[in-house]
Amino acid sequence: DQQVKQNSPSLSVQEGRISILNCDYTNSMFDYFLWYKKYPAEGPTFLISISSIKDKNEDGRFTVFLNKSAKHLSLHIVPSQPGDSAVYFCAASALTSGTYKYIFGTGTRLKVLA
Amino acid sequence: DAGVTQSPTHLIKTRGQQVTLRCSPISGHKSVSWYQQVLGQGPQFIFQYYEKEERGRGNFPDRFSARQFPNYSSELNVNALLLGDSALYLCASTMGGAYNEQFFGPGTRLTVL
Repeated sequence: DQQVKQNSPSLSVQEGRISILNCDYTNSMFDYFLWYKKYPAEGPTFLISISSIKDKNEDGRFTVFLNKSAKHLSLHIVPSQPGDSAVYFCAASALTSGTYKYIFGTGTRLKVLA
Repeated sequence: DAGVTQSPTHLIKTRGQQVTLRCSPISGHKSVSWYQQVLGQGPQFIFQYYEKEERGRGNFPDRFSARQFPNYSSELNVNALLLGDSALYLCASTMGGAYNEQFFGPGTRLTVL
């Protein structure tokens, strides 16, 4: 059962335009969400997070939106740059048996075209 | 400051063998988590340790075990290797507690032949 889903395996965007990456989840107990970026041969790098008590969090070019009723979150990158080309994972966290576990989606490969 | 380090970077084993992977967290971080990432999938949670105690375990068989040492470094052991254990094994560290972003190491690429 895939509790965190990224239904778009890939996305191509022109440099300078907006990139929108989507993520859906099924478990209403998730209360903290994160986005990670991963380059080949490197571990995932934390980008931005959001608590379930908020619906938006912004950090520079990156903004995460959370729609709890739809169980949906999205990452907006504006403006997109070629260096943003990577695989992006969303992750959700919930308190389970006294500890927080992170469930990751399958990732979306973003390609920013110069 | 050094980030999360993992060793070795690459490893080739044969079926039935045992393997030990190592992780050193960021200085000051007391929690370490292990993940398995198979090609085309997201990281799958294996274990979480905090202050040397196991705090969480994912849906992995008992062939997988781990421990955390007094200096907060950690080892992941996998016994009786199967071909399906071939993956990138990631270690992540946090200060501990809730809502701390996890900082990942570069991973160990394990290939089982």
